[in-house]
Amino acid sequence: GQQVMQIPQYQHVQEGEDFTTYCNSSTTLSNIQWYKQRPGGHPVFLIQLVKSGEVKKQKRLTFQFGEAKKNSSLHITATQTTDVGTYFCAGQNGNKLVFGAGTILRVKS
Amino acid sequence: DTAVSQTPKYLVTQMGNDKSIKCEQNLGHDTMYWYKQDSKKFLKIMFSYNNKELIINETVPNRFSPKSPDKAHLNLHINSLELGDSAVYFCASSPFLYQETQYFGPGTRLLVL
Repeated sequence: GQQVMQIPQYQHVQEGEDFTTYCNSSTTLSNIQWYKQRPGGHPVFLIQLVKSGEVKKQKRLTFQFGEAKKNSSLHITATQTTDVGTYFCAGQNGNKLVFGAGTILRVKS
Repeated sequence: DTAVSQTPKYLVTQMGNDKSIKCEQNLGHDTMYWYKQDSKKFLKIMFSYNNKELIINETVPNRFSPKSPDKAHLNLHINSLELGDSAVYFCASSPFLYQETQYFGPGTRLLVL
């Protein structure tokens, strides 16, 4: 079945450093979504990428969808303590949305 | 107003008991889901319903039985609770079956002793 791999599992960064999490699917995706879950909270939708090679930005966050629509990345520039949490990618293929295992981000101030 | 709500927020119970978790969404969405998040944060879909009809039933023990009385509600009943059922259970909804952007509820933290 469809698998979505996400790395790294954990990342500790110093405040101000950049952070990137990567997502790879075993199958071609119709779209990929990114979610953020704060500690003790619930996943919150951040963005959806649909087109091959698409790049979208939200302030310090940059999202990319690969040309083959099988991989994606989320890059945060100059992390802040408010960025802490778990970032999930979720790939859609047909009527199934499969979540990656998530990357836990900790930011040291 | 909360878009997707769940009750209870916390649930502590003994092994062997039966318990229910309720979910309601006021977004007018057609599709609702139940997810289980384990201690390692892995999110696994359990069920999805579209307009009260079961669409996805992942490999979930039949001790778990979802019920959707209408498209705004999706409840989860669990029989004969086991230690391994301890997790956070999230309800979610999306506008349509093939529009899968998920809006999550706050979660129900279940602890089985």
